[in-house]
Amino acid sequence: DQQVKQNSPSLSVQEGRISILNCDYTNSMFDYFLWYKKYPAEGPTFLISISSIKDKNEDGRFTVFLNKSAKHLSLHIVPSQPGDSAVYFCAASAQGAQKLVFGQGTRLTINP
Amino acid sequence: KAGVTQTPRYLIKTRGQQVTLSCSPISGHRSVSWYQQTPGQGLQFLFEYFSETQRNKGNFPGRFSGRQFSNSRSEMNVSTLELGDSALYLCASSLESVSSYEQYFGPGTRLTVT
Repeated sequence: DQQVKQNSPSLSVQEGRISILNCDYTNSMFDYFLWYKKYPAEGPTFLISISSIKDKNEDGRFTVFLNKSAKHLSLHIVPSQPGDSAVYFCAASAQGAQKLVFGQGTRLTINP
Repeated sequence: KAGVTQTPRYLIKTRGQQVTLSCSPISGHRSVSWYQQTPGQGLQFLFEYFSETQRNKGNFPGRFSGRQFSNSRSEMNVSTLELGDSALYLCASSLESVSSYEQYFGPGTRLTVT
């Protein structure tokens, strides 16, 4: 049972444009959401998070949007840079539990 | 501040053997979680330790175990290794404040079982 889903295995975006990565979840108990970036042979790097009491959180070029009624979140990267090319994972946790449930990841490629 | 460190980085074992992996969390972090990453199953939660006690557990067989020491360092052990245990094992630590639950990952240990 895939509680967190990233339906796009890959995404290709031109440098300077906006990258939008999507994530859906099914468990209504999830109340904290995170995005991680991962390069091959490295551990995931934390990017940005959002609590279910908010619908938007910004940090520099990264913005995460949360739509609780649709059980959907998205990560916007503006402007996209070549160094953003990596696999992006969304993750969710419930009620403060240190147990993250991850999506399958989306491979983002930024083309010059 | 130093990040999460994991040793060893690479390991090759034979079926039936056992293995111990080590993790040192970020200084001040008391929660340590372990994850397994495989191409087929993605990133899956193994267990979490806080103040030397296992607080959360994922859906893995009893061959997978762990412990945490008083300095928050953690080890995980896999006994009677199977080919399917070949994976990247990731450790993450968390400060666990009332407002955030971010986990910070180490580089992982790549385990190959032959």
